[in-house]
Parts: sequence; structure tokens; C-alpha cells
Amino acid sequence: KAGVTQTPRYLIKTRGQQVTLSCSPISGHRSVSWYQQTPGQGLQFLFEYFSETQRNKGNFPGRFSGRQFSNSRSEMNVSTLELGDSALYLCASSLTGATNTEAFFGQGTRLTVV
Amino acid sequence: AQSVTQLDSQVPVFEEAPVELRCNYSSSVSVYLFWYVQYPNQGLQLLLKYLSGSTLVESINGFEAEFNKSQTSFHLRKPSVHISDTAEYFCAVRIPGANNLFFGTGTRLTVIP
Repeated sequence: KAGVTQTPRYLIKTRGQQVTLSCSPISGHRSVSWYQQTPGQGLQFLFEYFSETQRNKGNFPGRFSGRQFSNSRSEMNVSTLELGDSALYLCASSLTGATNTEAFFGQGTRLTVV
Repeated sequence: AQSVTQLDSQVPVFEEAPVELRCNYSSSVSVYLFWYVQYPNQGLQLLLKYLSGSTLVESINGFEAEFNKSQTSFHLRKPSVHISDTAEYFCAVRIPGANNLFFGTGTRLTVIP
């Protein structure tokens, strides 16, 4: 079956703009989590959505937001982009989000802010 | 709070030699433990996990890790590495009841021919 699909793969934006990233989870998976990966901070958890509700949130400013649709697809939005937002954004899906279920990662969206 | 420490940022090793990638964690509660591998320009792939039961867990490609509660460690080992094992390896923990993973900073394994 198809894996986790993230679009676009690469993105270049200007400081101050906003951006929306998309994640389509594996069919049947209802939990979607987002992570930011940077050389300096490593992999950091942004938020998790389950059945269209944000269930858990990391320590990121309010400029980072997300949502999940009824088909479990998720979008992540970053407003007023800063240079430090340049990163690889990874999406992970799992069946229920229970701690004993495996999280499958997409290939990520590489965002460059100039 | 949880934290994960990967002591080595880079590990070069010759092909067919053994390797150990170290991972220590800190948590006030019990955790589940994971190793993920990331190949260039790719996402993360689960290598192996410890949830409960036997403290020694194995992957299908020859890696193994042992959960040591007293030392709060979950080191990854392989007795003989291949060129194709060159990648970045991340140790992660998850606490029961939460879905998010706490990752270490990663170890870049380079296998030298």
C-alpha cells in the first residue's frame, strides 16, 4: 500500500510569507504527527492530530498551526516565516496513535526561507 | 521531562567490522524505545523497537539493541556492517499515553570500503 505522502518535497519562501505543507497518511491511519528537523535542534515534535482534533502539541510558537481533514489528510501552516524556520518538516502517520503502534514517516518537505 | 542522548555524532567503521551506536535516555516514567534510520533525502524508517518483554530486540537486517533499565541505555549493535548501512541513526523514546517521540541528535554512521 502507498506510504505517507508529503507535498511539496521542496519549497523556497521569503521571510514574512506564509506556507502550507500537506501530508497524506497511509490509508486507514487516523493519527498524523508533524516534526521539524534542523541541524541545530535535531528532530522536534510540532503537533499531533487524531480524528480532526489536535491531541498533543510541542513547544513551538503560535505561528505554527495545523489541521486534519475528515479523510485524515493533514496540513501544516507556518505564518510570518523566519529564516530559522528553514528545516525539513516530517509527517508521520499511525493507525491509532496509541503508543504501541508504529509511526510511519514521509520523505519530508524541505523548506528554505530566504 | 524526557531526553535522549546519542553520545557519538559520527561513527566511521570499516566494512564487515562490528559497530555500536550508543543511546542513553532520561525519564521519570517508563518509556518505549525506538531506533530509526534516515538515508539521504529520505524520511525516517523504523529499525527496531522495545515496548516490553525481552530486552534484546532484533531487526531484519542484522541490527540488534538491548534495553538496559539500570543504565538507562538502548545501544544499537551490528556484528558486521555493509556499505548500505551508511545512514543517520536516531534513537527515540515515547512515554505511555503520548504519541510523540523524543529524539536524540542522531549518529551518522559511515561505512568505509
